[in-house]
Amino acid sequence: EAQVTQNPRYLITVTGKKLTVTCSQNMNHEYMSWYRQDPGLGLRQIYYSMNVEVTDKGDVPEGYKVSRKEKRNFPLILESPSPNQTSLYFCASRRGGLRLWPQHFGDGTRLSIL
Amino acid sequence: AQSVAQPEDQVNVAEGNPLTVKCTYSVSGNPYLFWYVQYPNRGLQFLLKYITGDNLVKGSYGFEAEFNKSQTSFHLKKPSALVSDSALYFCAVRGNYQLIWGAGTKLIIKP
Repeated sequence: EAQVTQNPRYLITVTGKKLTVTCSQNMNHEYMSWYRQDPGLGLRQIYYSMNVEVTDKGDVPEGYKVSRKEKRNFPLILESPSPNQTSLYFCASRRGGLRLWPQHFGDGTRLSIL
Repeated sequence: AQSVAQPEDQVNVAEGNPLTVKCTYSVSGNPYLFWYVQYPNRGLQFLLKYITGDNLVKGSYGFEAEFNKSQTSFHLKKPSALVSDSALYFCAVRGNYQLIWGAGTKLIIKP
């Protein structure tokens, strides 16, 4: 089954404790991205990757890091989480190129930073 | 600047009635428009897109959307609502290498 898998689904942690949210897709997609979803703000892109070793900032990259060492994986790293990063996070992937392929989303990771 | 607006936070419709979820956009050049749906505790799912061609686009689950260039709108429609259509709906427009998302509209279908 084609899917985007995020882990963990839920996490409560404390300020300053480094955490990583993993994202893996099994569709051989070139393009992957991370979003955060906050009430009334819709989805805001954090980082995206056009392919292996190619990443770029989205609209709200501050406080986040990403890496794309393999095509299927795109982890999101919060090196020193703060309460304003409490949010619902989504990873997404799609085929690359100029055509506007639909994005496939994971089921989300709800982070609470105390 | 490119933007998307969903003017209604929530839309309430009785089951069996037609539904409309509104979306307006502002882009330079040709708009590429999308609708996604989010069910509780799930990620977003693609419903339909407009790239070019017919102004009425048909998508998944019986949904369709009407592109209106003069009104810069891309409203989502369904002739007969189901309770299972209750979800959060997002409109998006393509920016530079990424989608620009609306804030979302909660659709509630009452039996």
